Amino acid sequence: DIVLTQSPALAVSLGQRATISCKTNQNVDYYGNSYMHWYQQKPGQQPKLLIYLASNLASGIPARFSGRGSGTDFTLTIDPVEADDTATYYCQQSRNLPNTFGAGTKLELK
Amino acid sequence: EVQLVESGGGLVQPGSSLKLSCVASGFTFSNYGMNWIRQAPKKGLEWIALIYYDSSNKYYADSVKGRFTISRDNSKNTLYLEMNSLRSEDTAMYYCANYGGYSELDYWGQGVMVTVSS
Repeated sequence: DIVLTQSPALAVSLGQRATISCKTNQNVDYYGNSYMHWYQQKPGQQPKLLIYLASNLASGIPARFSGRGSGTDFTLTIDPVEADDTATYYCQQSRNLPNTFGAGTKLELK
Repeated sequence: EVQLVESGGGLVQPGSSLKLSCVASGFTFSNYGMNWIRQAPKKGLEWIALIYYDSSNKYYADSVKGRFTISRDNSKNTLYLEMNSLRSEDTAMYYCANYGGYSELDYWGQGVMVTVSS
């Protein structure tokens, strides 16, 4: 199984940039696409897709969110951070089955 | 508007069975692969099962293989998860989600809670 590693928590001030990393133990690229996706989950809610294929913004997601990376190293950036962005962020790979998730990064405001 | 609505959860004893449903609307259900993902209390997300759009292939996480069965009825726009031999470690919120064009989990239901306890 592909293992995804995320740092557990991050504290950022309002209006600043938040960068969340996700590292995999195997390459998740395939035919020019990186099969890495990002989700936001607020307390008591279901996860919501933010970014697909490493860098593509999902429908309705504000441009403050962006993703980059390839191979085994990926980042999700929120710039600028707003109060509503307080949540846990998960990366997920769909290169192989079983699809696997990172443990999540909890974003808090300073 | 895409909607996925799960039902069928509850409190059950270890060793018992339960069947979850997920009713889809707002998109052409029969065109998309569907997944079940679970989240134990205060824990992360765990993918547990996938079914292709036409039921031709089904895949399971090792943690549920042989005990859980995913199925779908495209005429009813409904996804199912039959869970047998339930264990305390199956206690979780269960979500259904459809695959998008690149195997991303595009839309998620609100989840249904399953508690396995004596």
